Amino acid sequence: GAVVSQHPSWVICKSGTSVKIECRSLDFQATTMFWYRQFPKQSLMLMATSNEGSKATYEQGVEKDKFLINHASLTLSTLTVTSAHPEDSSFYICSARARDRLNTEAFFGQGTRLTVV
Amino acid sequence: SQQGEEDPQALSIQEGENATMNCSYKTSINNLQWYRQNSGRGLVHLILIRSNEREKHSGRLRVTLDTSKKSSSLLITASRAADTASYFCATVLPDTGRRALTFGSGTRLQVQP
Repeated sequence: GAVVSQHPSWVICKSGTSVKIECRSLDFQATTMFWYRQFPKQSLMLMATSNEGSKATYEQGVEKDKFLINHASLTLSTLTVTSAHPEDSSFYICSARARDRLNTEAFFGQGTRLTVV
Repeated sequence: SQQGEEDPQALSIQEGENATMNCSYKTSINNLQWYRQNSGRGLVHLILIRSNEREKHSGRLRVTLDTSKKSSSLLITASRAADTASYFCATVLPDTGRRALTFGSGTRLQVQP
C-alpha cells in the first residue's frame, strides 16, 4: 500500500511554544490530506481537511488560528500547534488519499504524540 | 462528529478463539472500511466493503454489511496474540465533498496467549 510519513513521532514542548508536525505522502500525490486528533482510548476526531493550494477546511469547534495547516505541495501538509497548552496534549494523526482514488482506502501516518508541559 | 458506535468497546479472548466486532452507522454510505490501530500508532487499512456487497473475506477476516440495518461486523477467526489492537470502522459522510473518513468509537481487542 501507499506510504504516508509523519514526523516527528513524538514531541515534548513547553507551554506557550509552537510545534510543527509534517505529513508526507511518499509514493503518491495527495490533493487532500486530513488531520485527526485522538485522546487516550478514544476514537479519531477529524480536525481539518487540508487542500493543496488552498485554505484548509476546519471542523466545528477547531480553532483555525491555533491549528495552522499548510498544504504547499501534493506530497506535504503541515500542522502547526501554536501557543501550545497542556490541554493540547494528544495524539495527532494525518491521513492522505491518492488524488485518483478518492473513494477507496486512506493511508495514515504513524502519528505524533504531543506532550505540552 | 462520529458516524456511529461499535460494540463491544473492549473484548478479551484466548488465542485461537474468534473475535466479532460490530459497527453501526447513521447515514447512507458508498462503502464501509475497517482499520486496525496498534497502541500509539497510526491506522492500517484492513478491508473495504462496498454498499452493494453483503460479505467479504480477506485471510482470517470476514466482514459483513447490512445496509438496511446500517450495521457491519468484523470477524477475526483463529485469533493470535498479534491481533491485539483497536479496531475501527469508518465511512465517508455523504455530500461533504471532502472525502474525510469518520470513525466509529472502536473496539479494543486483547488476545491472551
